[in-house]
Amino acid sequence: KQEVTQIPAALSVPEGENLVLNCSFTDSAIYNLQWFRQDPGKGLTSLLLIQSSQREQTSGRLNASLDKSSGRSTLYIAASQPGDSATYLCAVRLEHSGNTPLVFGKGTRLSVIA
Amino acid sequence: DAGITQSPRYKITETGRQVTLMCHQTWSHSYMFWYRQDLGHGLRLIYYSAAADITDKGEVPDGYVVSRSKTENFPLTLESATRSQTSVYFCASSESWINQPQHFGDGTRLSIL
Repeated sequence: KQEVTQIPAALSVPEGENLVLNCSFTDSAIYNLQWFRQDPGKGLTSLLLIQSSQREQTSGRLNASLDKSSGRSTLYIAASQPGDSATYLCAVRLEHSGNTPLVFGKGTRLSVIA
Repeated sequence: DAGITQSPRYKITETGRQVTLMCHQTWSHSYMFWYRQDLGHGLRLIYYSAAADITDKGEVPDGYVVSRSKTENFPLTLESATRSQTSVYFCASSESWINQPQHFGDGTRLSIL
């Protein structure tokens, strides 16, 4: 069974710092990996989707990488801002999905302190 | 505005009652999903739908019923609510099965007393 792990569970950094969030998965048979942001009381907002054939995707200050063979992805946030404070979740789209096509990690709660 | 909307945002009900959560999307996405989010479990898939009149079970379907008579609507019904179904419920949609991102609504916070 695919397991998705995000470490750390919570992270607090000063404004302006560059940071990396980690996501690992146990089964490399995936179509893609998606990073989401969730603000308190809100739904998930899709940030980046990396296909299994890609190594990285960039959007503004965000850069996500994928190493499928080692089962790892990172989300790099440059020059963090207080508005980046949220919970960040990764999810993998399985090739052999059965009844769980998208498996989520439990998230990293990020606080950026002004 | 285009997007995905859920209603109600908050609901309190009693055990044994039937309750329906609504989900409406304006993108004409083929795929729609219902998740529940609980502390310690993260997001888990309840049901999903590939098109109108096509639905399938997810990881935790017991106690829930879905229907999809129109592409834009995907209601979730708890036939006889139990306390263990207290959760935050999210609806999502996607243009394709594999290579397009899922887009989420803002959720329904359901409390069952």
